[in-house]
Amino acid sequence: QSALTQPASVSGSPGQSITISCTGTSSDVGGYNYVSWYQQHPGKAPKLMIYEVSNRPSGVSNRFSGSKSGNTASLTISGLQAEDEADYYCSSYTSSSSSYVFGTGTKVTVL
Amino acid sequence: QITLKESGPTLVKPTQTLTLTCTFSGFSLSTSGVGVGWIRQPPGKALEWLALIYWDDDKRYSPSLKSRLTITKDTSKNQVVLTMTNMDPVDTATYYCAHIQSTISPHFDYWGQGTLVTVSS
Repeated sequence: QSALTQPASVSGSPGQSITISCTGTSSDVGGYNYVSWYQQHPGKAPKLMIYEVSNRPSGVSNRFSGSKSGNTASLTISGLQAEDEADYYCSSYTSSSSSYVFGTGTKVTVL
Repeated sequence: QITLKESGPTLVKPTQTLTLTCTFSGFSLSTSGVGVGWIRQPPGKALEWLALIYWDDDKRYSPSLKSRLTITKDTSKNQVVLTMTNMDPVDTATYYCAHIQSTISPHFDYWGQGTLVTVSS
């Protein structure tokens, strides 16, 4: 299976909002509400930020929100903060192989 | 609380078989819906989903690596083992194991710290 497509980098100033896209197909992102998002700081394990497209785990800031339209899912970070600078990955179930796939990853830079 | 920890060799030679163990606490793999998965990340590159095993022994594999991977569980020891055959330098990566709470909501909510495996002669 092919990795989901994400922009390589997204940047924004403190306080601004940014959106990261995650594009797949009708066999994965578009076909199921099993999209999740992970944040990864350098040298650290990934951290779950969003699951089932738009649900936030306990303890995750409400500045993080998720959505989906067709074959593209999105992660929005509002009120951007320095601590949000990290790599972000989306993931989805894929029916083409009854397994799962990650996105290509997006580096978020806070200017 | 839920914790996971990966263990195994840090260095393997090309063509060898890699065996990694994920030892966990705070949950049981005999609980309905629960699963444990493996994910890897080559240095400077993206995450790659490898395999997962559910409480009922349902196993899923990455299509591109399926022929080389085997995932098993030992419920009594709270361990999940991943074996990967015919290792190559391109398999050099940090390998993570992670917890899945439910088959109907398959996301990784807890992760191990990861273990770096280098493939080199």
